[in-house]
Amino acid sequence: NAGVMQNPRHLVRRRGQEARLRCSPMKGHSHVYWYRQLPEEGLKFMVYLQKENIIDESGMPKERFSAEFPKEGPSILRIQQVVRGDSAAYFCASSTTANEQFFGPGTRLTVL
Amino acid sequence: AQSVTQLGSHVSVSEGALVLLRCNYSSSVPPYLFWYVQYPNQGLQLLLKYTSAATLVKGINGFEAEFKKSETSFHLTKPSAHMSDAAEYFCAVSDQTGTASKLTFGTGTRLQVTL
Repeated sequence: NAGVMQNPRHLVRRRGQEARLRCSPMKGHSHVYWYRQLPEEGLKFMVYLQKENIIDESGMPKERFSAEFPKEGPSILRIQQVVRGDSAAYFCASSTTANEQFFGPGTRLTVL
Repeated sequence: AQSVTQLGSHVSVSEGALVLLRCNYSSSVPPYLFWYVQYPNQGLQLLLKYTSAATLVKGINGFEAEFKKSETSFHLTKPSAHMSDAAEYFCAVSDQTGTASKLTFGTGTRLQVTL
């Protein structure tokens, strides 16, 4: 049973470009969460989604960031017009209706 | 709102010594509590979780944690440290009990194990 998959593992963008981060949850998991980890810091919650629904986006920046989890395919975290401050590791986690979250290996975004 | 405080951003122990990583939480509801470990450039791996059953929880790699409601604590321990235990450890609390919800993490404790 494959774990949570994230791609790409490393992403380099120049300021002003768009970044798309993908997350495929574990088989049978319908809940997806995105977290951001800045250097030398803990993980901060960004958004919680179920299929085709955003359940909690209280941690999402108001501008430039969006997330989706379509009926088919992976969850996507999209960052438009990236800035240097967006450089971080972005982790996806998935769960069933229970509360144990399984984390992917992360995408490390570097903005030049 | 839930919050987690991890005292000590860096802890250093000798190989074979006791490991004690501290975690205190704040929650308006009976919490679910978790400890995760993160090795360099990797994702988070669940060590153990407290979900209102036994207050002493045993996890993987010889770690355990005790939920103490009176102290609002959930400290992580291991009787004898091994070099492979060197990593970053995060304590987390769930926003709601019994259902899927976001996790609130502490700032982490980096464990160093020396010879």
